Amino acid sequence: GQNIDQPTEMTATEGAIVQINCTYQTSGFNGLFWYQQHAGEAPTFLSYNVLDGLEEKGRFSSFLSRSKGYSYLLLKELQMKDSASYLCAVRPTGANNLFFGTGTRLTVIP
Amino acid sequence: DVKVTQSSRYLVKRTGEKVFLECVQDMDHENMFWYRQDPGLGLRLIYFSYDVKMKEKGDIPEGYSVSREKKERFSLILESASTNQTSMYLCASSKGGSGNTQYFGPGTRLTVL
Repeated sequence: GQNIDQPTEMTATEGAIVQINCTYQTSGFNGLFWYQQHAGEAPTFLSYNVLDGLEEKGRFSSFLSRSKGYSYLLLKELQMKDSASYLCAVRPTGANNLFFGTGTRLTVIP
Repeated sequence: DVKVTQSSRYLVKRTGEKVFLECVQDMDHENMFWYRQDPGLGLRLIYFSYDVKMKEKGDIPEGYSVSREKKERFSLILESASTNQTSMYLCASSKGGSGNTQYFGPGTRLTVL
C-alpha cells in the first residue's frame, strides 16, 4: 500500500521561512511532486524530485531523501499570496499515476 | 501553456441521475486522470487512461466509469449518482511515460441531492 503523511495545518508570518514536511512509504519510488492549491482552484505544479538533494526554484525549494522516505518544501520570504494548501505526491515505480497526501494548509499572517 | 478544461465548475444533480463530466486537454498528452478531492482525504484517483480507448482503475473506481474516444477528451460517468459522490472532481493530463508532470483542470464541484 501507499502512505503519505504531511501536517494538516501550519501558520507562518509574512516575510518568514516555513518548511513543510512529507514522509512516505510506497511500493517503489519514481519521483516526488509538490503542488500548490489555492482554495477553490486547481492544484498547480511547484517542484519535482527524483534524486536526493535540494532543488531550488526562486523562493521555493524542495528536498528529497529517498533512504529516509522524506521530503520537505521550503518557502522563503513568505507572502500573503502563499496562503494555500501544499500537496505532496509520490509516483511509485512503473506507474503513471500519483498518490497524494492529504495536503498541508498554510496560513500566512501579517 | 498546458490547458486542461472541464465542462462545468458547479453541477447539481439528483440521486439516481446519470452524470457526465467532461475533460479536454490541448497539449496532445497521452495520459489523462480523474480524481476526487474530499476534505481530510486528499486527492484520490478514480480512473486513468494512457491511450485512446485504454483505461485503468484507480483507487476508488466503484460507481464510476470512463470513456476515452479521442486523445484530447476524457469523460467520467456516474451511472446512477448517489449522495456520497458529492465531491470536487479534478481532471489532469500528462505526457506519456514516467516522471512527467500532471497538469490539472479547474475542477467540477458536484452536489448530489
